[in-house]
Order: sequence, then C-alpha cells, then structure tokens
Amino acid sequence: AQTVTQSQPEMSVQEAETVTLSCTYDTSESNYYLFWYKQPPSRQMILVIRQEAYKQQNATENRFSVNFQKAAKSFSLKISDSQLGDTAMYFCAFMSSNFGNEKLTFGTGTRLTIIP
Amino acid sequence: KAGVTQTPRYLIKTRGQQVTLSCSPISGHRSVSWYQQTPGQGLQFLFEYFSETQRNKGNFPGRFSGRQFSNSRSEMNVSTLELGDSALYLCASRTGPANTGELFFGEGSRLTVL
Repeated sequence: AQTVTQSQPEMSVQEAETVTLSCTYDTSESNYYLFWYKQPPSRQMILVIRQEAYKQQNATENRFSVNFQKAAKSFSLKISDSQLGDTAMYFCAFMSSNFGNEKLTFGTGTRLTIIP
Repeated sequence: KAGVTQTPRYLIKTRGQQVTLSCSPISGHRSVSWYQQTPGQGLQFLFEYFSETQRNKGNFPGRFSGRQFSNSRSEMNVSTLELGDSALYLCASRTGPANTGELFFGEGSRLTVL
C-alpha cells in the first residue's frame, strides 16, 4: 500500500515571498502520478499541479513548481510570489497508474497562511 | 462548462438513520469517485464507478454503498448512521479509466450525525 507524508501541519509566509511545502511518499510501483491539491475554506479541492513519475522534468504551472526526486520519493511544492488567495490547505496525493487502482492516496495536509 | 455538482451541501441526521448523497459529474465524464474527509482520518477513498460499474473500493464497511446511473450521475448511501460518519463527502469525476490522472472535485456534502 502507498503512503503519503506531509510533515508540516502549518506554515505561514509573508505575501510575495516564496514558500516550499514538503511531501514524501512510499510505493513499490515504478509508474504513478503525484499531485498537489489546494482546498480553500470554500472546501472545493482544486488541482494545483501534477507530475508523472516517468517524466524527469519537474512540472511547473505559473507560480507553482515542484521538486520531484523519484529516488528519494520526495515531491515538494514551491509557491513563488505568494498571494493572499494562496491561503488554503494543501494536500499532496499519490495515484497508481495500474489499471483498476487509480485512487488518490492523500497526505494529511499543510495549512498555509499568507500574511498581508 | 458546469463543474461537479453535489447535493445536498449540508445535512443533519441522527444515529441509525440512512442518507443518500448525489453527485453529477462534469458533462462527458463517465468516472465518478467518492472520498470521505474527516479531521481524524483525513481524506479516504470510498469507491469509484465507471459505466455504472464499481471498479474500485476502499476500506469501508458495507454500510457504505454507491451506484451510478446511465447518465453518469452517482449516488452514495450510508445506512445505519454512526457518529463517526460525520464528515465532508467529496465527489470527483474524470473522463474515464484512461488515467489522465486528473480528477475534478465538487464542493462536497457536509454530513453531521447527531
């Protein structure tokens, strides 16, 4: 079974600064997907960024980028030029690419607060 | 394009009752998954349906069940409610098991069991 660990329950950073959220995972599979989801107080889970394990290049979406270290099973999220709207719970998640087992396994989340 | 729609948004039940939650996926999406979110257990996978068939199930008791209709809408049912079933129930949809890996979530149904 896969596990996802987020060791930072809470973080806060000043607006416009850069912040990095940590995530480690454990799996015996060689091909899979990793995600960062954002859940603001409105509750809707929003996909921030996705990484396919077979791709060595780190994914980037505007101000959001990841540092994917497959051998170390590490998948951190960097938010640059943080904005007030980035305040939310952030969940790291794993999905197997095995057919019939494509469920998300989530970490416990990091509550991020952007301070004006 | 409308997103994933879940109803009801909030509901209160008492122990022993049953509840049915509904999820309408994004148009064209044929796969629907359900997740339970609680402060204690976090986010946990319940089940996934595709083309009216359950194709994956999490570790939940048989009191939790679901189904999917021909129009891809899905319902989940919890019978004999317990206090511990109080949670946010999230529904997610995707196009299908081709596994693009991208799920789109609804805003959830908040269930309180008294």
